[in-house]
Amino acid sequence: GAGVSQSPSNKVTEKGKDVELRCDPISGHTALYWYRQRLGQGLEFLIYFQGNSAPDKSGLPSDRFSAERTGESVSTLTIQRTQQEDSAVYLCASSGTSGGAPYNEQFFGPGTRLTVL
Amino acid sequence: AQKVTQAQTEISVVEKEDVTLDCVYETRDTTYYLFWYKQPPSGELVFLIRRNSFDEQNEISGRYSWNFQKSTSSFNFTITASQVVDSAVYFCALIENNAGNMLTFGGGTRLMVKP
Repeated sequence: GAGVSQSPSNKVTEKGKDVELRCDPISGHTALYWYRQRLGQGLEFLIYFQGNSAPDKSGLPSDRFSAERTGESVSTLTIQRTQQEDSAVYLCASSGTSGGAPYNEQFFGPGTRLTVL
Repeated sequence: AQKVTQAQTEISVVEKEDVTLDCVYETRDTTYYLFWYKQPPSGELVFLIRRNSFDEQNEISGRYSWNFQKSTSSFNFTITASQVVDSAVYFCALIENNAGNMLTFGGGTRLMVKP
């Protein structure tokens, strides 16, 4: 079956512009996560959606970052007034959960490489 | 707060050598889950293994094996008879049961296997 997909695969933008990144999770997966990976570094958690519960936004680095998810489907991560330090690969993951259990494998998409000039 | 440390930033071996990737974690939770992911040059993360904190049994899957030791808060990963295709960045990660479902990643170890 189809895995997690993300678009665009690459995005180059100018400092100060807004960008939207899209994630299509695996069908039926109730949980969706956004992570950021700066060059040569590990992944940093940004935000987590679980079903219809309020999202966990504890990883968002500033109020320029926001994300939405429609039901249990597509999610968009929006970065307003982009800065050069926002340049990174943004990875989306989804997982199926049972009763909110955290131990299920997260399946990752290929990521969106964002470059802010 | 939880933390994962992978002290080896880069390892280079010759094909057929065995190699161990170290992972040390910190958590205050008594229930937690440990993971290893592989990130090949293509960039997509590939799940390798998950362990929960109540299961210290070591696991072997083909050339891969994992050594989980709660006494030293370590979850090390060994590749036996390494192959060029094993070249990738490997990440160790942790989920705490009482801290949400997000993965906390270590900084990764870049493994280069030379022919």
